[in-house]
Amino acid sequence: GAVVSQHPSRVICKSGTSVKIECRSLDFQATTMFWYRQFPKQSLMLMATSNEGSKATYEQGVEKDKFLINHASLTLSTLTVTSAHPEDSSFYICSAPDSGYTDTQYFGPGTRLTVL
Amino acid sequence: EDQVTQSPEALRLQEGESSSLNCSYTVSGLRGLFWYRQDPGKGPEFLFTLYSAGEEKEKERLKATLTKKESFLHITAPKPEDSATYLCAVNTGFQKLVFGTGTRLLVSP
Repeated sequence: GAVVSQHPSRVICKSGTSVKIECRSLDFQATTMFWYRQFPKQSLMLMATSNEGSKATYEQGVEKDKFLINHASLTLSTLTVTSAHPEDSSFYICSAPDSGYTDTQYFGPGTRLTVL
Repeated sequence: EDQVTQSPEALRLQEGESSSLNCSYTVSGLRGLFWYRQDPGKGPEFLFTLYSAGEEKEKERLKATLTKKESFLHITAPKPEDSATYLCAVNTGFQKLVFGTGTRLLVSP
């Protein structure tokens, strides 16, 4: 299957600072990538769709000014959590669909964000 | 509203004790149902995609089936390494996935 990487795997920051998370498709190109958030013992919730060459689209209730998404190339999407607060602490996971018929989503390993 | 419900929430099995996990869904138009395995602190790992009622997919000790309203993940003679959270998701359109809350499986030796 396709491989998706994320960096960093975990990050700890102070309240009020910004944090950037990278998502890369390693062996395929992805014009679309997705960002999810997962709180402890809960399932994945879609935050936004990252589109190469155009603006991201956000799910209802997700603040676009707080979660900035940039899809810089066909293999890289970044999520920046701006002015992070403790309630933003979560597990952030990206995914990318394969380019074939099945539209199967392949997920990155996730980034654990802790805001102090 | 598109919904995915998984049961049971948690399942404890002895090694070799077969069982099934359930995923019920309500979507306006199914464009694929996906099963993933998630280990603690890691991203979901793809297992199966199902598209139409009656379809079945198999991989080692796992077999996924699909009806018009639900999907089952059958685990035959599980081993401790099968312990994980199993997630079900449906494609609601434009490749967006709606996930269920998962079933936490623990297989004891």
